[in-house]
This record gives sequence, C-alpha cells and structure tokens, in this order.
Amino acid sequence: IAGITQAPTSQILAAGRRMTLRCTQDMRHNAMYWYRQDLGLGLRLIHYSNTAGTTGKGEVPDGYSVSRANTDDFPLTLASAVPSQTSVYFCASSRDRGAVGELFFGEGSRLTVL
Amino acid sequence: LAKTTQPISMDSYEGQEVNITCSHNNIATNDYITWYQQFPSQGPRFIIQGYKTKVTNEVASLFIPADRKSSTLSLPRVSLSDTAVYYCLVGPYNNNDMRFGAGTRLTVKP
Repeated sequence: IAGITQAPTSQILAAGRRMTLRCTQDMRHNAMYWYRQDLGLGLRLIHYSNTAGTTGKGEVPDGYSVSRANTDDFPLTLASAVPSQTSVYFCASSRDRGAVGELFFGEGSRLTVL
Repeated sequence: LAKTTQPISMDSYEGQEVNITCSHNNIATNDYITWYQQFPSQGPRFIIQGYKTKVTNEVASLFIPADRKSSTLSLPRVSLSDTAVYYCLVGPYNNNDMRFGAGTRLTVKP
C-alpha cells in the first residue's frame, strides 16, 4: 500500500541519547515534513524539505536536525534528547511545495524521553 | 503566516449537520484553506480545501466568505464515526511552512 512509513512506532529513550526517527514515502512526492503533536497544542512544524537536497526550519526546530539525501527518505534526528521532546512525531509528504493539495501523514512515532 | 482560531470542542448528535468555523483574520492573498480530520493514534487526514466561495466533495462542504477572514467546515448528517479532532490549516501556495492550530474536538453522541 502506497504511503508514508514511520519507524519506530514507539520508543522510550534516556535523556542525552541520540535518536533518529525514520520516514519513508513511496509516492515520489517532492515535499516532506516533520511535525510534533503535544496535548492541547495541535501539530507544530519542526522541519520541512521542498525537494531532495534542501531543508527548511519550521516553528519549533531547536534540538532537531533533518536531512534529505533522496526523494523517499526524510529522517529526523535528536542529537541529545531532553524530556521536553517527549511527543508524538508525524512525518508527512505532499506532491509539491506549498499549501495547494493534500498532505499525507504517517501513523506517527511516539517518543518518551526520561 | 495566518493564525487560525477554532473552538476547542463541539458536541453533536447522530444525523445532525455540524458546522465548525475557523477564524483567520490576517489571511494573505496567496493563502489556501484546508481542513484535516484526525482520529486517536492516527495521522491527520485531508478532508477538503478551498480558496474562496464554496467547495463541496463527497464528505464535506467548505464555505468561505468574500473577505476570507473565516471559513466553515460543514459535515452533513454526522455519525458516531465522525468523532475526531478537526484542524483548520491556512498556508500559502508557494511555501511549505504550513502550520496547524490546536483543532476542534468533535464528539458525536447517539
């Protein structure tokens, strides 16, 4: 089934550890995004990528890094996790940059930092 | 970037029409309005998108007044399975920095 695959589904992590959340899409979409979702705050954009080789900062980029080496993959890395990064992380993609058209979301990765 | 304001929660009963309004007073000329639905433990799912006037698809209608400072998502004859959080998203056609608000939690009762 075409779509977005995120891994891991759930992870408990000790503070200070490095963690990479993986995201792969098979729709050949140009744009990809990472959001975090916290209770009462909705979804907040962390980083985005217009096309392979380019990335941009969203609303809450601090403590996170991304890379876009190819069209399909958009990993999110926490270099040194902190408890405030406990959240549900959603990866999304869209055919083209911008708000026209549909965002396709993965099922999310639940991260707990202790 | 346009800031959106939605009611935090709404209750309805099966078979009723539900209207959820989103305010976006500082919407820009190149901004589009999109609504998403999210069930627990799932990613959001696209419902409908519009720029102005009225848009209708098989699941919902979107009403946008001439000044575009608000929009209303209309769900006809809701069922229990429509219980979810609904997000209004306003963003430009040429920029990927699209931001969601806190959403409206709709509860449909039998």
